[in-house]
Amino acid sequence: QMQLQESGPGLVKPSETLSLTCTVSGGSIRGHYWSWIRQPAAKGLEWIGRISSDTGNTDYNPSLKSRVTMSVDTSKSQFSLKLTSVTAADTAMYYCARGYIWGNYRPFDYWGQGTLITVSS
Amino acid sequence: DIVLSQSPPSLPVTPGEPVSISCRSSQSLLHSNGNTYVDWYLQRPGQSPHLLIYLGSNRASGVPDRFSGSGSGSDFTLKISGVEAEDVGIYYCMEALQIPPTFGQGTKVEIK
Repeated sequence: QMQLQESGPGLVKPSETLSLTCTVSGGSIRGHYWSWIRQPAAKGLEWIGRISSDTGNTDYNPSLKSRVTMSVDTSKSQFSLKLTSVTAADTAMYYCARGYIWGNYRPFDYWGQGTLITVSS
Repeated sequence: DIVLSQSPPSLPVTPGEPVSISCRSSQSLLHSNGNTYVDWYLQRPGQSPHLLIYLGSNRASGVPDRFSGSGSGSDFTLKISGVEAEDVGIYYCMEALQIPPTFGQGTKVEIK
């Protein structure tokens, strides 16, 4: 059974860069797209972006595009998120997930348990 | 971005009774390839979301057959034929027709 596990600092200061890593186990990271999705407390879900493990190609949410960078390290079965210039509005639970692939459609079929990120001085 | 509107926002239910959740899109989610790009997810309390239905009506692996998805164009419905205690949580529809994929605001199902 594939498992995803997010890791991150928990607390980030305003204006600094948030860095998160998702480790994939129980299956191959290759051949898939991998996404980051966030959820502010008591609010809905927002897709941040995705990366292809095979090509490194990325797609980002236009609302965050100027601040987001995603990368993948297949040798470690990990993919990562960097979000720059964070503010309190970036405080949220951050999930990593497998998916989505549009052409031969694959939705978000595996999710990590989430990691809570608080932006505060 | 495509906007998804779910109703009702909250749904108190009695175990065993049927449940219906609506999701309406600001534009059609039918692509020329014949696929309708709407999925349904359930987020149980304290858990991450998990996939129930994809491409409008396809149950994900391991999802009980009491769950079904239907609809077309811009109007979709998730039905639970007889709700069970483990079905409590927030249900989200999601569209994947365009980048970024967007989610509805959620429907909270709770036991009366």
